[in-house]
Amino acid sequence: EPEVTQTPSHQVTQMGQEVILRCVPISNHLYFYWYRQILGQKVEFLVSFYNNEISEKSEIFDDQFSVERPDGSNFTLKIRSTKLEDSAMYFCASSPLEDAGELFFGEGSRLTVL
Amino acid sequence: QKEVEQNSGPLSVPEGAIASLNCTYSDRVSQSFFWYRQYSGKSPELIMSIYSNGDKEDGRFTAQLNKASQYVSLLIRDSQPSDSATYLCAVNKLDSSYKLIFGSGTRLLVRP
Repeated sequence: EPEVTQTPSHQVTQMGQEVILRCVPISNHLYFYWYRQILGQKVEFLVSFYNNEISEKSEIFDDQFSVERPDGSNFTLKIRSTKLEDSAMYFCASSPLEDAGELFFGEGSRLTVL
Repeated sequence: QKEVEQNSGPLSVPEGAIASLNCTYSDRVSQSFFWYRQYSGKSPELIMSIYSNGDKEDGRFTAQLNKASQYVSLLIRDSQPSDSATYLCAVNKLDSSYKLIFGSGTRLLVRP
C-alpha cells in the first residue's frame, strides 16, 4: 500500500540552528501539507502546497518556515532558526483531492530543540 | 470559543460495547467533517468522512452529522481493545478548503 514517508524520524538540534524535514508524498497525490503536534496538544495546520506553490498557510508558518518541492518526489519543510517552542512532531500529509480532509499522514518527524 | 471541541476523556467502555464520541464545531460555514484515529506516538489515520446531514456507516463505525446543531459524532459498535486510541474530530471550511482544523481528541479505552 502506498504511504507517505518522512525523514528523519527524530532530530535533535540546538536553538538557532536550521533544520530540514523531508517527506516523500504518495506518488499520484497532488496536494501536500505540513502539520505539527506539540506533545500533548492538538494537531495544527502549518501549510498546504499545490502546483509548486503555497496555497494556504497558518499564523504559525512565519518567515522562519519555508517549504519546497525540489524535485518530483520530495517535499521539504525548512525551519531557518529553530526556537525551543518549535519542538514538536511534524507530520507531512498528502491528498489526491482538493478537499483537504482526506489526508494520508506520514509517521512524523520528532524535532527536539535544546 | 474553540473551533472544534471534544471531551478529552478518557472514555472507558467494556469490550463489545458501543463507544460514542462527540464533537461540536463553532463555525457554521464548516463543510466537511472527519474522524481520525491516533494511536499513542503515531500519526493520525482517517476513519470516516461525512459531508451531509445524517448517518454514514462503514463497518463497525457510524458517523453522524447535524449541521443545525453543529454537532458530529462517531459510534463504534462491538468495541475492541485495539480500538483504544485517541479519536480526533476535524473540519474544514468552504472558504479555507486547504486547511483542516482538528479538535484536541477524545481518548478511548476499551477494557477487555
